[in-house]
Amino acid sequence: GDSVTQMEGPVTLSEEAFLTINCTYTATGYPSLFWYVQYPGEGLQLLLKATKADDKGSNKGFEATYRKETTSFHLEKGSVQVSDSAVYFCALSGTGNQFYFGTGTSLTVIP
Amino acid sequence: ETGVTQTPRHLVMGMTNKKSLKCEQHLGHNAMYWYKQSAKKPLELMFVYNFKEQTENNSVPSRFSPECPNSSHLFLHLHTLQPEDSALYLCASSPSLVAKNIQYFGAGTRLSVL
Repeated sequence: GDSVTQMEGPVTLSEEAFLTINCTYTATGYPSLFWYVQYPGEGLQLLLKATKADDKGSNKGFEATYRKETTSFHLEKGSVQVSDSAVYFCALSGTGNQFYFGTGTSLTVIP
Repeated sequence: ETGVTQTPRHLVMGMTNKKSLKCEQHLGHNAMYWYKQSAKKPLELMFVYNFKEQTENNSVPSRFSPECPNSSHLFLHLHTLQPEDSALYLCASSPSLVAKNIQYFGAGTRLSVL
């Protein structure tokens, strides 16, 4: 069945460091891919999405490219800020219209 | 503010209690979802409703009973829960069940079962 695997955390970075959170997926057909972010005490919010191969989703300085050849959707940001501290979830929506979420990666950015 | 409101935010209950979680969305969406979020596990989809009709029940124990009286409201009735049911319960909504639709989440209800 469809599934998402993302790197385990927690991840701790200094402010202005480069961020990569890896995400790979297994799916039949052509899923849509998403990154959601959960700030402390809040629900999940959509960060970015890509609906077909080679699409790049971007928002708030974060980017992720839908790579069908490597079945990946890695999240990157060139310079993280303290306010980026949160839990990041990779997700896909494919056959059956179900969403499949990863386990989440906790990011802490220190000044 | 995502337009999806969940109450209560925190709930502590004993194993013999009966309680209900409430979710309300002001987005005009037609699909609503219940998820369970436990530490170090993927989000678990529990139930899906589309136009008030249940379309998914992912093998959820009968001690969890959903109710969707209209497209804006979703309830999760709880009875005789177990300690392993302690988790964050998230409600979400989307315009429809189409795969590309974004889901909008509430802040969740943190449930502790003693």
